[in-house]
Amino acid sequence: DSGVTQTPKHLITATGQRVTLRCSPRSGDLSVYWYQQSLDQGLQFLIQYYNGEERAKGNILERFSAQQFPDLHSELNLSSLELGDSALYFCASSPLGQHHGYTFGSGTRLTVV
Amino acid sequence: LAKTTQPISMDSYEGQEVNITCSHNNIATNDYITWYQQFPSQGPRFIIQGYKTKVTNEVASLFIPADRKSSTLSLPRVSLSDTAVYYCLVGDKNDYKLSFGAGTTVTVRA
Repeated sequence: DSGVTQTPKHLITATGQRVTLRCSPRSGDLSVYWYQQSLDQGLQFLIQYYNGEERAKGNILERFSAQQFPDLHSELNLSSLELGDSALYFCASSPLGQHHGYTFGSGTRLTVV
Repeated sequence: LAKTTQPISMDSYEGQEVNITCSHNNIATNDYITWYQQFPSQGPRFIIQGYKTKVTNEVASLFIPADRKSSTLSLPRVSLSDTAVYYCLVGDKNDYKLSFGAGTTVTVRA
């Protein structure tokens, strides 16, 4: 157990639908990062939050959004889902946004049918 | 972020030492070199990080030459459970956009 909790572990939904992925960071970590990993794209950085505020944005689609709540858990919202959004979505956390302190969760596998 | 180049795949046998070299010609003064390990359907796991010379922990060693344009991750006496993808990342400690490349798939055979 890495200390980063992601729910649900698996999600199957239809095209056009909206889903929410949840991440609870490791205790004490203020930064949360979201990544998408698909077979043909590798591990892609989506977005980072630090203590409730958006800190950095990567290759995140406009159909995707995220937020970090006062208790530091984060949610990634994916809407108007397409078949190509099927992937593993990972959340990672770190203290103070430092590079070497990233701890990843076990991911949510999203399948869009 | 400095671009990194590492082999796509490597094969080894149990008990051997595996060395994965990563090239990062454009590494900046403030950049650190970090390696992660990822098993199928699991999130990446931090292995080791260094700035220069040699760093060793209970899992691996990281060798960094003086010019820092490359680095080598050394896994001593690998076992079947070391079969995984290994990622080399280079960036400033405060760089938030941690970008993973394709990594090196290491396959350990009995």
